[in-house]
Amino acid sequence: QVQLQESGPGLVKPSQTLSLTCTVSGDSISSGFYYWSWIRQHPGKGLEWIGYIYSSGSTYYNPSLKSRVTISVDTSKNQFSLKLSSVTAADTAVYYCAGGDTVTFNYWGQGTLVTVSS
Amino acid sequence: QSALTQPASVSGSPGQSITISCTGTSSDVGGYNYVSWYQHHPGKAPKLMIYEVSNRPSGVSNRFSGSKSGNTASLTISGLQAEDEADYYCSSYTSSTTLGFGGGTKLTVL
Repeated sequence: QVQLQESGPGLVKPSQTLSLTCTVSGDSISSGFYYWSWIRQHPGKGLEWIGYIYSSGSTYYNPSLKSRVTISVDTSKNQFSLKLSSVTAADTAVYYCAGGDTVTFNYWGQGTLVTVSS
Repeated sequence: QSALTQPASVSGSPGQSITISCTGTSSDVGGYNYVSWYQHHPGKAPKLMIYEVSNRPSGVSNRFSGSKSGNTASLTISGLQAEDEADYYCSSYTSSTTLGFGGGTKLTVL
C-alpha cells in the first residue's frame, strides 16, 4: 500500500517561497507506475490541482500557477517536492501530495496547512 | 471559483440512496470520460471512490456508483450508512487546465 506524507514549514512570510516535501513509502517513486501531484485546498473552499511530476522528471503545471511553481523529484530519497514562489495570503491552504495517473489520484497524504503571514 | 459545480450539501437517512451531481461543460465533464470522485473525512487523506466516470477501485463498496449524462456526472450512494458522512469532491480532465475539481458536497447522514 502506497503511503504519502507531507512535510514542511507551516508558516511562510509574504513574498517568500513555500517549500514542501512529500515522502512516499510502499513503492518506489521511480517505478514508473504513477504521476506525483500536488493539490491544495483553500480554507472553506474546494480543491485546486497545482501540478504533477513523472519519475523521469517531466512536469505539468496548472496554467494559473505555472509562473510560480516548481515540482521536483529526488528518487534517492523517494521524495518529491513543491516550491511556490512569491506567496501571498491567497496561498494559505492545506497542501496535499498525491499519486496516481494524470487525472486520477489513487493515493493521498493527509495534508499540511501552510499559512502565509508576516 | 471551482471549475465544476456541486451542491453544497445533501442529506439522507440511513438505508436511503442519495445522488451528488457535478456539472461542468463540454470542455471537461461532457467531453471526456475522466471524472473521478473522492471521499474526504476532515483531517484524513481523501479517498478515491470512483474513476473514469463509473469504475470503482478495489476495496470500495459497491454501494458507490458513478454515471454521466451530458455535462453532468453523478455519484450515487445506496444503503446510506453513518460512515458515509463526509465531504465528496468530483474532478474532471479539462482542456483548459488539465484537471479541475468541484467545490465539494457535504453529505450528512441524518
